[in-house]
Amino acid sequence: DAKTTQPTSMDCAEGRAANLPCNHSTISGNEYVYWYRQIHSQGPQYIIHGLKNNETNEMASLIITEDRKSSTLILPHATLRDTAVYYCIVRVVERAAGNKLTFGGGTRVLVKP
Amino acid sequence: NAGVMQNPRHLVRRRGQEARLRCSPMKGHSHVYWYRQLPEEGLKFMVYLQKENIIDESGMPKERFSAEFPKEGPSILRIQQVVRGDSAAYFCASSPRIAGANVLTFGAGSRLTVL
Repeated sequence: DAKTTQPTSMDCAEGRAANLPCNHSTISGNEYVYWYRQIHSQGPQYIIHGLKNNETNEMASLIITEDRKSSTLILPHATLRDTAVYYCIVRVVERAAGNKLTFGGGTRVLVKP
Repeated sequence: NAGVMQNPRHLVRRRGQEARLRCSPMKGHSHVYWYRQLPEEGLKFMVYLQKENIIDESGMPKERFSAEFPKEGPSILRIQQVVRGDSAAYFCASSPRIAGANVLTFGAGSRLTVL
């Protein structure tokens, strides 16, 4: 799976949009971009994933650049409960690998009042 | 749908004892993954299982650790002769059969403390 690079930490203001960047310059054509988060002491929580097109769900939006070498997770209106470590993961979808995810260091997001 | 259920949520063992952690996947999911998170560290993949088969155990320590996912019942992660370095949060995840970009659903974790 391609390596990802994320900022170690970032702060954002409550009620504002939080834009979390992720670089994956070695991504290949059959690799998806996934975002998960881990709120303190809890199990990781799925947020969103995409291949080429931008995606949106009730939690967030995922913007993938046209060359697919980077992406941005957008939390439209950050709340204090969004304080967590956010992981950007790139994964090949193939039978042998299953759905195994390899977690990096992630971005520690602190939402401030 | 109760989600991925892990038990016990907290387990305390003395050095040398055995620890057994259980994971019941989501209904309809036939794939189980175990991860370990040491204090203040990231999530590390341990093992990937389907019913009655270990598919990928590349992250499992060579000794004392084993995992199974029997035809009936939960998946079990077993740690024999625990040491203080085994103290960690152990997370289980499950997914449906492989078909496209399936999502892993994680449980709340089991926290092992070795005295």
